[in-house]
Amino acid sequence: SQTIHQWPATLVQPVGSPLSLECTVEGTSNPNLYWYRQAAGRGLQLLFYSVGIGQISSEVPQNLSASRPQDRQFILSSKKLLLSDSGFYLCAWRDRYTGELFFGEGSRLTVL
Amino acid sequence: QKEVEQNSGPLSVPEGAIASLNCTYSDRGSQSFFWYRQYSGKSPELIMFIYSNGDKEDGRFTAQLNKASQYVSLLIRDSQPSDSATYLCAAWAPPRRFSGGYNKLIFGAGTRLAVHP
Repeated sequence: SQTIHQWPATLVQPVGSPLSLECTVEGTSNPNLYWYRQAAGRGLQLLFYSVGIGQISSEVPQNLSASRPQDRQFILSSKKLLLSDSGFYLCAWRDRYTGELFFGEGSRLTVL
Repeated sequence: QKEVEQNSGPLSVPEGAIASLNCTYSDRGSQSFFWYRQYSGKSPELIMFIYSNGDKEDGRFTAQLNKASQYVSLLIRDSQPSDSATYLCAAWAPPRRFSGGYNKLIFGAGTRLAVHP
């Protein structure tokens, strides 16, 4: 069966510091992968989408970037964090046949 | 206009009652719809999805879709306190022509459900 893992689960970072969140998927090959962000009390905002290695589509231009160095690895990064980057970051993979989206456990980021 | 809209709630129902959660969407090209449940501090988990007009039942949950009215709903029968959570409605938005777009799952802001004993 397919599993998806994210880390770290929680982090507190100062403004201006870099960020790296990692996501890996097991049990499927060439998955479509997504990064979403959920601000406190808000809905899910799509940030990035990837259909394969090195293929990234950006939904919202901002100081975040994403990379897919391996088939089952998806990384979210920032060179300099802003206060507004605080939120709950969720990685997800899509079942090609049903369209279902399955989420990882999430990474909660607080920027101070 | 938001692409997927939900009443934020809270919707409060007594234990054992039917909870009715509603959602509307703006893109007539959307073909599939999903309901997720999210407990506080946790990631969303899929409850069920629906593609066709009408009802789809899975245990205590029933999803209803009316494409003409662009309306999706989720009914929870015999509500339990453990059902207290935020329920997210989502719709796949088709790719935008000439935009190099792609299918993306658009989420509503969620409805908070509180089931009290």
